[in-house]
Amino acid sequence: DAKTTQPNSMESNEEEPVHLPCNHSTISGTDYIHWYRQLPSQGPEYVIHGLTSNVNNRMASLAIAEDRKSSTLILHRATLRDAAVYYCILRKDQGAQKLVFGQGTRLTINP
Amino acid sequence: KAGVTQTPRYLIKTRGQQVTLSCSPISGHRSVSWYQQTPGQGLQFLFEYFSETQRNKGNFPGRFSGRQFSNSRSEMNVSTLELGDSALYLCASSRDVGNSPLHFGNGTRLTVT
Repeated sequence: DAKTTQPNSMESNEEEPVHLPCNHSTISGTDYIHWYRQLPSQGPEYVIHGLTSNVNNRMASLAIAEDRKSSTLILHRATLRDAAVYYCILRKDQGAQKLVFGQGTRLTINP
Repeated sequence: KAGVTQTPRYLIKTRGQQVTLSCSPISGHRSVSWYQQTPGQGLQFLFEYFSETQRNKGNFPGRFSGRQFSNSRSEMNVSTLELGDSALYLCASSRDVGNSPLHFGNGTRLTVT
């Protein structure tokens, strides 16, 4: 399985944008980039996913580099409830549920 | 719409015992998978079921097994428990269409003493 690399931790302030980077230099053409987050005492929660084009939804935006070797999850206006561990995952397009989680980025939001 | 439900939320067992954990997926979801989460190893894939058939299996010993019923509900079983099996066990479900997202439950916290 292709691997992703994320910073161990990041810190930001409430109501400011947050950019969470992810490197995936060994990504293959059929790998989708998925982001999940895990809040304390909860299971992981789906955030967003994309293949080649930038994607937006009500939670976040996903910016994908042209060569697809990196991507950035953007939280436009962080709140205290966004404090969580964020996981960047490469997923094959076959619908399989096997996700390979790395260590993720622990995001701290300061009030 | 109800989310993924896992029971029980907490469980304490002793070494050598066996345990069965239950997962009810979101209505209409036919794929169910299980993950183990520990502080040292993080989130690791255990196995995945679709239409009562195991579709994929992670790198865990045979003491870990699972099954899925015709109503898509799933159970996982761990036999001959070891201290290292203490973990948060998470169940996820999805519609099994392309890259449909996984929806996770809040897990069962298993402690083996």
